Amino acid sequence: QKEVEQNSGPLSVPEGAIASLNCTYSDRGSQSFFWYRQYSGKSPELIMSIYSNGDKEDGRFTAQLNKASQYVSLLIRDSQPSDSATYLCAPSGDKLIFGTGTRLQVFP
Amino acid sequence: ETGVTQTPRHLVMGMTNKKSLKCEQHLGHNAMYWYKQSAKKPLELMFVYNFKEQTENNSVPSRFSPECPNSSHLFLHLHTLQPEDSALYLCASSQDPGGGYGYTFGSGTRLTVV
Repeated sequence: QKEVEQNSGPLSVPEGAIASLNCTYSDRGSQSFFWYRQYSGKSPELIMSIYSNGDKEDGRFTAQLNKASQYVSLLIRDSQPSDSATYLCAPSGDKLIFGTGTRLQVFP
Repeated sequence: ETGVTQTPRHLVMGMTNKKSLKCEQHLGHNAMYWYKQSAKKPLELMFVYNFKEQTENNSVPSRFSPECPNSSHLFLHLHTLQPEDSALYLCASSQDPGGGYGYTFGSGTRLTVV
């Protein structure tokens, strides 16, 4: 089992829709979870962090964490073409592992 | 300057060359990292430095040699590389070595080995 699993996509959604990105992880000891956005040819940028079970909202972004299911997700409301990028999931821990990322395409 | 700065942005080198990548962080962070990102592969952790001491070497070939003279600067010395080493090399820093507050990445160095 991979330590961090994400669907590589691409996930295509129309402008204005909700994009749902999912991530599962194997390390039950992970306490913090991060979502990074990476535009093509650029470096990853931290956009969301979540530390406890439940939802965390920041503007159009909502992170959801379920530690019992070892599952974390990112919802993007009112998706814009500028949201088109690869989204990387990363749990904290002794091993600094990133998921392969999900490529999101938002079309007008 | 603020954030994490990497130089050069692009590098083309022959297999017999020696070159160095430089990273500098102005965030007061205590941990610094080198990652490799190849096409269609996840980010691969290469080295971790915590308070300028190396704490992780993720089975990286010896043709990659890191150096951390202080907690703000990190180098990656390259020699006798192979074409498959062509990738985006990213430097990152974090407040703590476990990354409990997330990482800040530099812009990366796009390396091409010919």
